[in-house]
Amino acid sequence: GEDVEQSLFLSVREGDSSVINCTYTDSSSTYLYWYKQEPGAGLQLLTYIFSNMDMKQDQRLTVLLNKKDKHLSLRIADTQTGDSAIYFCAGDDYGSGNTGKLIFGQGTTLQVKP
Amino acid sequence: DAGVIQSPRHEVTEMGQEVTLRCKPISGHNSLFWYRQTMMRGLELLIYFNNNVPIDDSGMPEDRFSAKMPNASFSTLKIQPSEPRDSAVYFCASSPGLSGDTQYFGPGTRLTVL
Repeated sequence: GEDVEQSLFLSVREGDSSVINCTYTDSSSTYLYWYKQEPGAGLQLLTYIFSNMDMKQDQRLTVLLNKKDKHLSLRIADTQTGDSAIYFCAGDDYGSGNTGKLIFGQGTTLQVKP
Repeated sequence: DAGVIQSPRHEVTEMGQEVTLRCKPISGHNSLFWYRQTMMRGLELLIYFNNNVPIDDSGMPEDRFSAKMPNASFSTLKIQPSEPRDSAVYFCASSPGLSGDTQYFGPGTRLTVL
C-alpha cells in the first residue's frame, strides 16, 4: 500500500520562504493534499493538487509535484508566525475505492521564529 | 453546516474504566474515519466506515477498542477497559466518500487515562 514520508521538523525566520517536502510510494493516487494542524485543533485542508499537474499556486502557497520522483513539496512564501503548525501531506488510497480514505505522512512541525 | 462534532472534548478517566467517544459527521457524508494522534506514533487510522459499514479496522490496536456506526449521523469509539497508554487525542473525520474528496476533521477528544 501507499507509504508517505516527511521530515519531522523545519525552522525558519519570519519573512523567509518555507519548503516542506514529502515523498510517497504509490503513484496511483489521483489527488495529493496538504493539511495544516494548529495547536489544539484538528487537521484542516490547506490545498491539494491533481496528479496530472506539476504545480499549483494559491496566494502564498505553491505546491510542486514531481511524479517521476514521487516527490511533493509545499512552499510558503513570506512565512508568518501564524504559519507555525504541523503540516501533513496525504494521498488518496486508490486501492480503497471511492471511500475517501487518505494515507497521511507523519507531519512536519514548522517553527517560525520572529 | 456545523462541521464534524465530537464529544467530549476532554476526558479524564482512571485505568480500567470504560470510555466512549462520540462523533457526528457532516450531513450527507458517506465515509467516517477514526484516528488517534500521539507524539510517539503520530496520526494513526484506527477504523473507517463507508455507508455505515466498517470497511477496515486493521488499525484498531486490540480487542479493547470497538467502534460502531448505527446510523449515518452518529458513531462511537469505545475503549473497555482503558489503559494509560490509550492517552491520546482521538479525531473523527468525515468525507463525501468520492474519489478526490477531502476529509473534514473534528476538533478531537483529548483522552487522559490515569
